[in-house]
Amino acid sequence: EAGVTQFPSHSVIEKGQTVTLRCDPISGHDNLYWYRRVMGKEIKFLLHFVKESKQDESGMPNNRFLAERTGGTYSTLKVQPAELEDSGVYFCASSRTGRNEQFFGPGTRLTVL
Amino acid sequence: DAKTTQPPSMDCAEGRAANLPCNHSTISGNEYVYWYRQIHSQGPQYIIHGLKNNETNEMASLIITEDRKSSTLILPHATLRDTAVYYCIVRGFAGGTSYGKLTFGQGTILTVHP
Repeated sequence: EAGVTQFPSHSVIEKGQTVTLRCDPISGHDNLYWYRRVMGKEIKFLLHFVKESKQDESGMPNNRFLAERTGGTYSTLKVQPAELEDSGVYFCASSRTGRNEQFFGPGTRLTVL
Repeated sequence: DAKTTQPPSMDCAEGRAANLPCNHSTISGNEYVYWYRQIHSQGPQYIIHGLKNNETNEMASLIITEDRKSSTLILPHATLRDTAVYYCIVRGFAGGTSYGKLTFGQGTILTVHP
């Protein structure tokens, strides 16, 4: 089966611009997670969807970040407006309900200039 | 979720066993121990998990002490491709399966050399 895919792989934008990251989970996985690693820091959880509902969004840093998962399939993470400190690698992961392991995508490297 | 402590780095010779320790002294009865790894420029990869019994799969073995306060991930025959950051993560569960976010620490940088 295809793994978790993320688009784009890299994005370079200027401060104040808007960027939208996309994640396509493994087919049939109801759980979708967003994480990020900013420079020199640990990988941090952002939020968790179960189907189209936000189960846990405790890790979202501020209201410049908006995540959606319309229809319970793919998800988007929008950053508007982007700030310098948003630079980092954004990972998406998915899992099947009732299973323990999360499968991660390759990540999107975001650079805000 | 309970906090974990891992050594920042370890070395291992190719073909030898790599034994990666993890302390989780505040683990509670409903928390599993998970191991993930991140090979350079890739997303984290699930390796193995366990509750209280030792576990083995095609990638590794997980040894959990009887008091559950520490564990060891064993890669029986390390290869150069096993060079990665290894994360020990403790996570709660409900209904027999774990749920929710993973809390990553700094992990252990394992370097496998020829």
